[in-house]
Amino acid sequence: QQQVKQSPQSLIVQKGGISIINCAYENTAFDYFPWYQQFPGKGPALLIAIRPDVSEKKEGRFTISFNKSAKQFSLHIMDSQPGDSATYFCAAGTSGSRLTFGEGTQLTVNP
Amino acid sequence: DGGITQSPKYLFRKEGQNVTLSCEQNLNHDAMYWYRQDPGQGLRLIYYSQIVNDFQKGDIAEGYSVSREKKESFPLTVTSAQKNPTAFYLCASSIRGQDTQYFGPGTRLTVL
Repeated sequence: QQQVKQSPQSLIVQKGGISIINCAYENTAFDYFPWYQQFPGKGPALLIAIRPDVSEKKEGRFTISFNKSAKQFSLHIMDSQPGDSATYFCAAGTSGSRLTFGEGTQLTVNP
Repeated sequence: DGGITQSPKYLFRKEGQNVTLSCEQNLNHDAMYWYRQDPGQGLRLIYYSQIVNDFQKGDIAEGYSVSREKKESFPLTVTSAQKNPTAFYLCASSIRGQDTQYFGPGTRLTVL
């Protein structure tokens, strides 16, 4: 199975709040889990990525939590800002090979 | 500046016409990818190429064709056989064997 399921489809958060986006995968061979951020009319850009040998990775306000047994991973955006308003995609793949993307989450951070 | 360029940014074509989307990279990356993006459906892989003169079908290759004659170029042709070609098309590249994919700015194709 190659699917990656992402939720929610859209998310509205107040400035300073925590944004949480979840993804679930089926293929246990996946060993690379990136998150991409996309602004309207632009190409996606890598935000943060994790491998299954760790359960959490933090870069600034962005944290990935990874649960290998549940085959789930999530993105947490702390202290969300209006500039974080964008579409976020999770993805999964095996090293050096193709990625499978989730359906995307449109995040709106209200001032 | 190193990066991926896609041209044109907007493209309009009449139904039944083939159209070719350009993707060029000067990152010296071996692997290149084409994705299609539709609202609510994420990014779907059309074709990818790990080395020059070799490419593989992705999940939605029907109605599309590609070539990889040069390392830095991976053009995508949307043929008249593609039933619903209006979409945002994204090209990406990566170092072969590494996972991070870098995306271009995209081409929005509208078929009238």
